[in-house]
Amino acid sequence: DTEVTQTPKHLVMGMTNKKSLKCEQHMGHRAMYWYKQKAKKPPELMFVYSYEKLSINESVPSRFSPECPNSSLLNLHLHALQPEDSALYLCASSQSPGRAGELFFGEGSRLTVL
Amino acid sequence: QQPVQSPQAVILREGEDAVINCSSSKALYSVHWYRQKHGEAPVFLMILLKGGEQKGHDKISASFNEKKQQSSLYLTASQLSYSGTYFCGTEISGAQKLVFGQGTRLTINP
Repeated sequence: DTEVTQTPKHLVMGMTNKKSLKCEQHMGHRAMYWYKQKAKKPPELMFVYSYEKLSINESVPSRFSPECPNSSLLNLHLHALQPEDSALYLCASSQSPGRAGELFFGEGSRLTVL
Repeated sequence: QQPVQSPQAVILREGEDAVINCSSSKALYSVHWYRQKHGEAPVFLMILLKGGEQKGHDKISASFNEKKQQSSLYLTASQLSYSGTYFCGTEISGAQKLVFGQGTRLTINP
């Protein structure tokens, strides 16, 4: 199994809503990532988890709250988002923390904030 | 910190060759190349490590010039399936993260 699965594929939410994005991998990878991608732009790193601990936070606003309940799951909790947060949110995993190895990306969750 | 890619876009006929460049102002530990087709996730192509060899598979290869902190991706005898946006990702020594360049959009026409 070489897949990273993200749910939901599409999400529309208002600025006062609370929602979550989910990511799952069963490759035994110990590093997991959240990237944000706007149209025609490169993926931008948001968070890195190494061995289920948050190791990198790229100064992301607190309205985005990551969580890694176990080595296979990664969540991104969303609260009080702004319209400019509308984007494709990509989850990725890699085998070994400590170095940026080959990233396996999920298909992403496309978020629209109204 | 973001690497700079050139060109921003390339249009080729099937069978032609292309070179995509990536440069950084920082000392790099590794350079990664990914391809993303429209509406799909980025897909890994290859990693080049400091002190490593030129990599390649099939008709896609890449090099890494450590002195200049530059990498180039070579696509030989391009196929229609090569179309997409190519991103280089750079890892600075001591950092556990990949920063992507702005991308190069490659269009292959029959």
